[in-house]
Amino acid sequence: ETGVTQTPRHLVMGMTNKKSLKCEQHLGHNAMYWYKQSAKKPLELMFVYSLEERVENNSVPSRFSPECPNSSHLFLHLHTLQPEDSALYLCASSHRTGDQPQHFGDGTRLSIL
Amino acid sequence: AQTVTQSQPEMSVQEAETVTLSCTYDTSESDYYLFWYKQPPSRQMILVIRQEAYKQQNATENRFSVNFQKAAKSFSLKISDSQLGDAAMYFCAYRASYDKVIFGPGTSLSVIP
Repeated sequence: ETGVTQTPRHLVMGMTNKKSLKCEQHLGHNAMYWYKQSAKKPLELMFVYSLEERVENNSVPSRFSPECPNSSHLFLHLHTLQPEDSALYLCASSHRTGDQPQHFGDGTRLSIL
Repeated sequence: AQTVTQSQPEMSVQEAETVTLSCTYDTSESDYYLFWYKQPPSRQMILVIRQEAYKQQNATENRFSVNFQKAAKSFSLKISDSQLGDAAMYFCAYRASYDKVIFGPGTSLSVIP
């Protein structure tokens, strides 16, 4: 238990669906991250939030829309995804951006039909 | 561009033996941090060990130690007295000061009873 909770653990959706991934941390951290982990590829940083403000967006397609309503919650809204978006999506948090360790959640395994 | 390379996609080790996982990186920075993360089947990423580039002494955490060769840009992880619970994906990661973390592609470690 690292203090970072992600829901759901698994998600199967069609390309036309709209769904959201949720991440929650109660570690008092100010920075939160979304990563994408595809098979046989390095972890890819998608978004970074610091104190609810987005500080980094690594050229992620607009079909992924993050939301950080407060420092404890982070969402990733999904719509009209493509089959290549199937991956494990990991949320992480840290005291400040760039700090280590980053505390990771268990991830959401996303499959696009 | 900063990159992290792990040349061993898969490794195996006999229980109680020692194994070394390789990592090389490319950077023009002089001040940075290196990490090894472990991702067991539970999917949660866990920080195993960290090394500050300005420190010449190799970091050690219990059975885990690193061989940091700054000039060669090499950062290998040695696991001594391997245990079944060490079976996991191991990711080498690099962070320049206050910059994003870059992960390598990972090495899958199997521990043979």
